[in-house]
Amino acid sequence: DQQVKQNSPSLSVQEGRISILNCDYTNSMFDYFLWYKKYPAEGPTFLISISSIKDKNEDGRFTVFLNKSAKHLSLHIVPSQPGDSAVYFCAAREVGNNRKLIWGLGTSLAVNP
Amino acid sequence: ETGVTQSPTHLIKTRGQQVTLRCSSQSGHNTVSWYQQALGQGPQFIFQYYREEENGRGNFPPRFSGLQFPNYSSELNVNALELDDSALYLCASSIQGIGAEAFFGQGTRLTVV
Repeated sequence: DQQVKQNSPSLSVQEGRISILNCDYTNSMFDYFLWYKKYPAEGPTFLISISSIKDKNEDGRFTVFLNKSAKHLSLHIVPSQPGDSAVYFCAAREVGNNRKLIWGLGTSLAVNP
Repeated sequence: ETGVTQSPTHLIKTRGQQVTLRCSSQSGHNTVSWYQQALGQGPQFIFQYYREEENGRGNFPPRFSGLQFPNYSSELNVNALELDDSALYLCASSIQGIGAEAFFGQGTRLTVV
């Protein structure tokens, strides 16, 4: 059973507009949530994270929002650029000794010029 | 500062064989985690090594084993390869107890025929 869910397998956005990628989780035993970006034939690249005690974190064009009551987080990219086209993974870090990451299935973002 | 490097990048093995994958962690990082990513899936946690000892394990059979060396580099060994072991194997390094982000290598694409 997927503890971290990305329900949209793909998203298409026009260059310059906002991209919103969504993620839901079912387990409350996560202390951090992270977003990674992945190009084909490369490993995931860390983008941004948010602590479970925060509701917003911003880094340049990337902002992550966390709604704990809804167990939902989202990544906003503004403005979107063609180079942002990639697969975006949401990951949740489990509280515990090894603090492993639990991953969603990814959302493929296409930013069209 | 060097990033996470994995070798080899691609590998083809026959069912029943054994394979060793290698990972050099990012400079200053003392923790290495291994993930398996099947096609169309998110990465699945295999295990983590910290101070040369296994520090947590995912739902993988004992034929998946690992090592961490004093310089924090790591190996993933898989015995008695099965066709379903075909996947991208990702290594991530981090600093135990500091920050949430883990940094990934480019992965090793293993194909079992």
